[in-house]
Amino acid sequence: AQTVTQSQPEMSVQEAETVTLSCTYDTSESDYYLFWYKQPPSRQMILVIRQEAYKQQNATENRFSVNFQKAAKSFSLKISDSQLGDAAMYFCAYRTVIQGAQKLVFGQGTRLTINP
Amino acid sequence: DGGITQSPKYLFRKEGQNVTLSCEQNLNHDAMYWYRQDPGQGLRLIYYSQIVNDFQKGDIAEGYSVSREKKESFPLTVTSAQKNPTAFYLCASSISSGRFVVEQFFGPGTRLTVL
Repeated sequence: AQTVTQSQPEMSVQEAETVTLSCTYDTSESDYYLFWYKQPPSRQMILVIRQEAYKQQNATENRFSVNFQKAAKSFSLKISDSQLGDAAMYFCAYRTVIQGAQKLVFGQGTRLTINP
Repeated sequence: DGGITQSPKYLFRKEGQNVTLSCEQNLNHDAMYWYRQDPGQGLRLIYYSQIVNDFQKGDIAEGYSVSREKKESFPLTVTSAQKNPTAFYLCASSISSGRFVVEQFFGPGTRLTVL
């Protein structure tokens, strides 16, 4: 079974600085997808970015980018120019397919604090 | 506006009582999911449904039941058999994907507290 591990329960960063959140996963599949979700205090889950395992190029969405290391099974999220609105729980997730149904396996989450 | 609604936002239950959490979507999605979120843990899948009148157990289905009589609705019942039901519950939906990846859209959640 796939597992996802986020080893940083909490992180903090100064506003306008850059922060990197770590995620590792375990799988025997060769083709899969990885996601980062953001959960602000409202607790609404918001998709931040996704990465296809077959793509070597790291995904980028504005200030958010990933460092995908397939051999190391590592999938970190970099947030540049941190803003107060970035404060949230961040979850790394692995997508697998079971009997045609999409299933997400989530990490434990990292709480990100932005210091003004 | 299209989206997912969950009600109620907060729910209190006495031990030994069953309680049903509502999830409705108007996104015309075929697939729907229920997750449980506990402090210090990520979301864990309880049940999922790919089509009306069909659903499958997720990783932590014990003590829970669901129904899928309508495409837009996927209620979750937390039964008295669930030993530790206090948690935050999230409902999600997506189009049917097969092997293709699709985004899961999440509702605002229900906080269940057992007194």
